[in-house]
Amino acid sequence: QVQLVQSGAEVKRPGASVKVSCKAYGYKFNGYGIHWVRQAPGQGLEWMGWISAYNGNTDYAQKVQGRVTMTTDTSTSTAYMELRSLRSDDTAVYYCARGTTVTTVNSDFDYWGQGTLVTVSS
Amino acid sequence: QSALTQPASVSGSPGQSITMSCTGTSSDIGSYNYVSWYQQHPGKAPKLLIYDVKNRPSGVSSRFSGSKSGNTASLTISGLQAEDEADYYCSSYTDSNTPVIFGGGTTLTVL
Repeated sequence: QVQLVQSGAEVKRPGASVKVSCKAYGYKFNGYGIHWVRQAPGQGLEWMGWISAYNGNTDYAQKVQGRVTMTTDTSTSTAYMELRSLRSDDTAVYYCARGTTVTTVNSDFDYWGQGTLVTVSS
Repeated sequence: QSALTQPASVSGSPGQSITMSCTGTSSDIGSYNYVSWYQQHPGKAPKLLIYDVKNRPSGVSSRFSGSKSGNTASLTISGLQAEDEADYYCSSYTDSNTPVIFGGGTTLTVL
């Protein structure tokens, strides 16, 4: 069955970088896109960006543009999200989610990872 | 790009029906049939309930239905059950430089 399995929790200092992985199982990886969505403690969902696992095209939210890079490794069916210059307000649970289209962005995310807590604290 | 507007909370009794709203603009909900709804229980990942305004993924109960009128989308849950108590988020494609936006979420309480 389809599963997205994310890497474990991270604690980072302000100004550092974090790289979260999302390994896909049970479907043809390059037939879909991967979105990244975060949720600060007690807050709502925030879309961060998308990468096509087919051609590597990306689209990022304006709020994190310039600090985020999303990549994929099709040989291992794994997606990565790197966020740089971390601030305390980046503390959140980060989710990867499968998008239902592969070459365009949409808002339908049919499978989600379990989430990765990233804590930014001095 | 501002978030979509959802009521903070709604409530209903078991067996009743409730409808929650999600209001956007002509740049998102009003122009595209790409509205989705997600259910999130505490400590869990969101679950897709409705996509493309009114379609249900396989395995989602027919008690959940979606619709849209103008710049507002709605999620209706019929025959409320205790397990429906959760947070609900809407999302939409938008023609801004951030192509996907979420609502702030609605907490459903089953009385």
